[in-house]
Amino acid sequence: DAGVTQSPTHLIKTRGQQVTLRCSPKSGHDTVSWYQQALGQGPQFIFQYYEEEERQRGNFPDRFSGHQFPNYSSELNVNALLLGDSALYLCASSLGSTGSGMNTEAFFGQGTRLTVV
Amino acid sequence: QKEVEQNSGPLSVPEGAIASLNCTYSDRGSQSFFWYRQYSGKSPELIMFIYSNGDKEDGRFTAQLNKASQYVSLLIRDSQPSDSATYLCASQMDSSYKLIFGSGTRLLVRP
Repeated sequence: DAGVTQSPTHLIKTRGQQVTLRCSPKSGHDTVSWYQQALGQGPQFIFQYYEEEERQRGNFPDRFSGHQFPNYSSELNVNALLLGDSALYLCASSLGSTGSGMNTEAFFGQGTRLTVV
Repeated sequence: QKEVEQNSGPLSVPEGAIASLNCTYSDRGSQSFFWYRQYSGKSPELIMFIYSNGDKEDGRFTAQLNKASQYVSLLIRDSQPSDSATYLCASQMDSSYKLIFGSGTRLLVRP
């Protein structure tokens, strides 16, 4: 049973460029959330996709956008990269149909380490 | 004030001891709580969740929740060097899909 998979594992980009990160959820899961984790900090919620729609968003600028495909996989796009966007980007999958706040266990992928230079 | 607070540590315990990791949260609307373990350079791994007051045990791990005191803890019995990692506490509100994480506590188990 494949867990959550993310690609690529590492990425180096230049300021001002755009980047796309990809995620395939755990088998049987239909919901994908994206988190940004800076060094020494806990993950911060970017947004969540369910049924191909963004259903909740954290405090991130519009430069961060996403998409979910019919097979539940997801992409995170970041435009106009800043040095401060350097972080570990984590994708978490879960079952969305259980509703909010109901111990929705989220399982994380291995992450994409993005470095902006 | 951070929504979820944890002591950054490191918390150092000898092998075989009980490690006690603590977490406080500020929003009384928080309903579910999660403990994740994160090894250096790796992604968070779910250990257990709790949403009712009291204790919940799973193997060597016990989560404790006290909603009146807005306090969550994780006890690790018979600590092993392989338990050395950063432990992240996360909360989730009933009206929300997002997990709110603390900054984590680094645990060091000495052989």
